Amino acid sequence: AQTVTQSQPEMSVQEAETVTLSCTYDTSESDYYLFWYKQPPSRQMILVIRQEAYKQQNATENRFSVNFQKAAKSFSLKISDSQLGDAAMYFCAVDGQNFVFGPGTRLSVLP
Amino acid sequence: DAGVTQSPTHLIKTRGQQVTLRCSPKSGHDTVSWYQQALGQGPQFIFQYYEEEERQRGNFPDRFSGHQFPNYSSELNVNALLLGDSALYLCASGGGRNTGELFFGEGSRLTVL
Repeated sequence: AQTVTQSQPEMSVQEAETVTLSCTYDTSESDYYLFWYKQPPSRQMILVIRQEAYKQQNATENRFSVNFQKAAKSFSLKISDSQLGDAAMYFCAVDGQNFVFGPGTRLSVLP
Repeated sequence: DAGVTQSPTHLIKTRGQQVTLRCSPKSGHDTVSWYQQALGQGPQFIFQYYEEEERQRGNFPDRFSGHQFPNYSSELNVNALLLGDSALYLCASGGGRNTGELFFGEGSRLTVL
Protein backbone atom coordinates (compact mmCIF):
# COMPACT_ATOMS: atom_id res chain seq x y z
CA ALA A 1 0.00 0.00 0.00
CA GLN A 2 1.08 3.54 -0.67
CA THR A 3 0.87 6.25 1.96
CA VAL A 4 1.47 9.98 2.01
CA THR A 5 2.00 12.04 5.15
CA GLN A 6 1.86 15.81 5.44
CA SER A 7 2.79 16.76 8.99
CA GLN A 8 1.78 20.42 8.76
CA PRO A 9 -2.01 20.86 8.79
CA GLU A 10 -1.64 24.63 8.49
CA MET A 11 1.13 27.01 7.49
CA SER A 12 1.29 30.75 7.00
CA VAL A 13 3.74 32.96 5.14
CA GLN A 14 4.20 36.66 4.67
CA GLU A 15 3.67 37.93 1.16
CA ALA A 16 6.94 37.89 -0.86
CA GLU A 17 8.55 35.47 1.61
CA THR A 18 9.46 31.81 1.12
CA VAL A 19 7.69 28.83 2.64
CA THR A 20 8.36 25.08 2.56
CA LEU A 21 5.67 22.45 2.83
CA SER A 22 6.69 18.98 3.97
CA CYS A 23 5.69 15.60 2.59
CA THR A 24 6.85 12.07 3.21
CA TYR A 25 5.58 9.03 1.38
CA ASP A 26 5.90 5.30 1.17
CA THR A 27 5.55 3.07 -1.85
CA SER A 28 6.82 -0.34 -2.86
CA GLU A 29 7.00 0.70 -6.49
CA SER A 30 10.40 1.36 -8.02
CA ASP A 31 8.97 3.54 -10.76
CA TYR A 32 6.61 6.25 -9.59
CA TYR A 33 5.72 9.92 -9.84
CA LEU A 34 5.27 12.53 -7.15
CA PHE A 35 3.02 15.55 -7.35
CA TRP A 36 1.97 18.67 -5.54
CA TYR A 37 -1.57 19.79 -6.21
CA LYS A 38 -3.20 23.03 -5.13
CA GLN A 39 -6.88 23.29 -4.27
CA PRO A 40 -8.17 26.85 -3.89
CA PRO A 41 -11.61 27.58 -2.45
CA SER A 42 -13.03 27.13 -5.95
CA ARG A 43 -12.44 23.39 -5.30
CA GLN A 44 -10.69 22.49 -8.54
CA MET A 45 -7.42 20.66 -8.04
CA ILE A 46 -4.59 22.23 -10.02
CA LEU A 47 -1.20 20.65 -10.64
CA VAL A 48 1.64 22.69 -9.16
CA ILE A 49 4.65 20.52 -9.91
CA ARG A 50 5.58 16.96 -10.82
CA GLN A 51 8.68 14.86 -10.14
CA GLU A 52 9.62 11.57 -11.75
CA ALA A 53 11.27 9.34 -9.17
CA TYR A 54 14.02 8.13 -11.47
CA LYS A 55 15.20 11.70 -12.06
CA GLN A 56 17.66 12.95 -9.49
CA GLN A 57 17.32 16.58 -10.48
CA ASN A 58 14.71 18.46 -8.47
CA ALA A 59 11.78 19.80 -10.48
CA THR A 60 11.23 23.55 -10.75
CA GLU A 61 8.26 25.52 -12.08
CA ASN A 62 8.75 29.27 -11.81
CA ARG A 63 8.39 30.14 -8.10
CA PHE A 64 7.76 26.51 -7.12
CA SER A 65 10.51 23.96 -6.55
CA VAL A 66 10.84 20.65 -4.79
CA ASN A 67 13.44 18.99 -2.61
CA PHE A 68 13.22 15.32 -3.53
CA GLN A 69 15.12 12.95 -1.24
CA LYS A 70 14.41 9.50 -2.64
CA ALA A 71 16.21 7.48 0.02
CA ALA A 72 14.38 9.34 2.77
CA LYS A 73 11.11 9.25 0.78
CA SER A 74 10.73 12.96 1.29
CA PHE A 75 9.24 15.42 -1.20
CA SER A 76 8.94 18.98 0.09
CA LEU A 77 7.58 21.97 -1.84
CA LYS A 78 9.21 25.39 -1.68
CA ILE A 79 7.24 28.44 -2.70
CA SER A 80 9.36 31.53 -3.27
CA ASP A 81 8.11 35.12 -3.42
CA SER A 82 4.73 34.04 -2.03
CA GLN A 83 1.69 35.76 -3.48
CA LEU A 84 -1.82 36.20 -2.13
CA GLY A 85 -3.08 33.87 -4.85
CA ASP A 86 -0.96 31.04 -3.44
CA ALA A 87 -3.34 30.72 -0.50
CA ALA A 88 -4.97 27.29 -0.81
CA MET A 89 -4.89 23.69 0.33
CA TYR A 90 -1.81 21.90 -0.94
CA PHE A 91 -1.82 18.15 -1.41
CA CYS A 92 1.17 15.92 -1.94
CA ALA A 93 0.49 12.78 -3.97
CA VAL A 94 2.31 9.66 -5.12
CA ASP A 95 1.43 7.73 -8.25
CA GLY A 96 2.81 4.23 -8.27
CA GLN A 97 0.07 1.62 -8.26
CA ASN A 98 -2.51 4.41 -8.22
CA PHE A 99 -2.79 8.00 -7.12
CA VAL A 100 -2.68 8.47 -3.33
CA PHE A 101 -3.02 11.90 -1.74
CA GLY A 102 -1.88 13.19 1.59
CA PRO A 103 -4.21 14.95 4.05
CA GLY A 104 -3.17 18.40 2.88
CA THR A 105 -1.63 21.58 4.26
CA ARG A 106 -3.66 24.77 4.39
CA LEU A 107 -1.45 27.68 3.37
CA SER A 108 -2.35 31.22 4.33
CA VAL A 109 -0.54 34.18 2.78
CA LEU A 110 -0.45 37.30 4.93
CA PRO A 111 -0.33 40.74 3.28
CA ASP B 1 -10.40 22.17 -25.44
CA ALA B 2 -12.91 21.25 -22.73
CA GLY B 3 -11.48 20.09 -19.47
CA VAL B 4 -13.05 17.57 -17.11
CA THR B 5 -16.69 18.37 -16.54
CA GLN B 6 -18.88 17.04 -13.75
CA SER B 7 -22.58 17.21 -12.99
CA PRO B 8 -24.40 18.09 -10.90
CA THR B 9 -22.31 20.60 -8.97
CA HIS B 10 -24.41 20.33 -5.82
CA LEU B 11 -27.09 17.95 -4.67
CA ILE B 12 -28.92 17.01 -1.51
CA LYS B 13 -30.21 13.54 -0.75
CA THR B 14 -31.67 11.76 2.25
CA ARG B 15 -30.38 8.62 3.92
CA GLY B 16 -31.19 5.45 2.02
CA GLN B 17 -31.55 7.15 -1.33
CA GLN B 18 -29.41 6.52 -4.38
CA VAL B 19 -27.34 9.05 -6.33
CA THR B 20 -25.68 9.15 -9.74
CA LEU B 21 -22.84 11.55 -10.52
CA ARG B 22 -21.56 12.13 -14.02
CA CYS B 23 -18.18 12.99 -15.51
CA SER B 24 -16.85 13.76 -18.96
CA PRO B 25 -13.08 13.44 -19.23
CA LYS B 26 -10.74 15.89 -20.85
CA SER B 27 -10.62 15.54 -24.61
CA GLY B 28 -8.27 12.74 -25.63
CA HIS B 29 -8.29 11.01 -22.25
CA ASP B 30 -9.56 7.46 -21.91
CA THR B 31 -9.07 6.85 -18.18
CA VAL B 32 -11.38 8.19 -15.50
CA SER B 33 -10.84 8.03 -11.74
CA TRP B 34 -13.22 8.95 -8.96
CA TYR B 35 -12.27 10.35 -5.57
CA GLN B 36 -14.18 11.14 -2.41
CA GLN B 37 -13.02 14.20 -0.48
CA ALA B 38 -14.50 14.71 2.95
CA LEU B 39 -14.40 18.22 4.37
CA GLY B 40 -10.88 19.19 5.39
CA GLN B 41 -9.31 15.97 4.14
CA GLY B 42 -7.41 14.76 1.12
CA PRO B 43 -9.10 12.95 -1.75
CA GLN B 44 -9.60 9.22 -1.25
CA PHE B 45 -9.42 6.95 -4.30
CA ILE B 46 -12.68 5.16 -5.08
CA PHE B 47 -12.00 3.47 -8.42
CA GLN B 48 -10.61 3.89 -11.89
CA TYR B 49 -12.16 3.03 -15.24
CA TYR B 50 -10.34 2.26 -18.45
CA GLU B 51 -11.77 0.70 -21.60
CA GLU B 52 -15.18 0.52 -19.91
CA GLU B 53 -13.90 -1.69 -17.12
CA GLU B 54 -13.10 -1.06 -13.48
CA ARG B 55 -9.32 -1.45 -13.37
CA GLN B 56 -8.53 -0.51 -9.79
CA ARG B 57 -10.57 0.01 -6.67
CA GLY B 58 -9.90 1.67 -3.37
CA ASN B 59 -11.25 0.69 0.01
CA PHE B 60 -14.91 1.51 -0.61
CA PRO B 61 -17.94 -0.75 -0.11
CA ASP B 62 -19.95 -2.24 -2.95
CA ARG B 63 -22.55 0.50 -2.48
CA PHE B 64 -20.17 2.52 -4.64
CA SER B 65 -20.30 1.42 -8.25
CA GLY B 66 -19.48 2.96 -11.56
CA HIS B 67 -19.64 2.73 -15.26
CA GLN B 68 -17.68 3.98 -18.24
CA PHE B 69 -19.30 4.53 -21.60
CA PRO B 70 -17.78 4.05 -25.07
CA ASN B 71 -17.20 7.83 -25.30
CA TYR B 72 -15.11 7.54 -22.08
CA SER B 73 -17.57 9.46 -19.94
CA SER B 74 -18.31 7.90 -16.59
CA GLU B 75 -20.89 7.64 -13.83
CA LEU B 76 -20.49 7.08 -10.13
CA ASN B 77 -23.44 5.49 -8.36
CA VAL B 78 -23.88 5.33 -4.63
CA ASN B 79 -26.71 3.24 -3.18
CA ALA B 80 -28.26 3.26 0.29
CA LEU B 81 -26.75 6.63 1.14
CA LEU B 82 -25.36 7.20 4.62
CA LEU B 83 -24.71 10.48 6.39
CA GLY B 84 -21.00 9.71 6.08
CA ASP B 85 -21.24 9.75 2.29
CA SER B 86 -21.56 13.54 2.42
CA ALA B 87 -18.46 14.80 0.60
CA LEU B 88 -17.05 16.38 -2.51
CA TYR B 89 -16.79 13.79 -5.27
CA LEU B 90 -14.00 14.50 -7.71
CA CYS B 91 -13.56 13.03 -11.13
CA ALA B 92 -10.15 13.01 -12.76
CA SER B 93 -8.93 11.94 -16.16
CA GLY B 94 -5.50 11.04 -17.43
CA GLY B 95 -3.80 8.95 -20.02
CA GLY B 96 -4.06 5.20 -20.44
CA ARG B 97 -1.90 4.57 -17.40
CA ASN B 98 -1.53 6.68 -14.30
CA THR B 99 2.01 7.78 -14.98
CA GLY B 100 1.33 11.42 -15.45
CA GLU B 101 -0.80 14.33 -14.43
CA LEU B 102 -4.40 13.88 -13.43
CA PHE B 103 -6.81 16.56 -14.61
CA PHE B 104 -9.65 17.22 -12.20
CA GLY B 105 -13.17 18.49 -12.53
CA GLU B 106 -14.65 20.94 -10.07
CA GLY B 107 -16.45 18.18 -8.23
CA SER B 108 -19.97 17.34 -7.15
CA ARG B 109 -20.85 18.35 -3.60
CA LEU B 110 -23.17 15.72 -2.11
CA THR B 111 -25.00 16.39 1.13
CA VAL B 112 -26.87 13.52 2.76
CA LEU B 113 -29.49 14.50 5.34
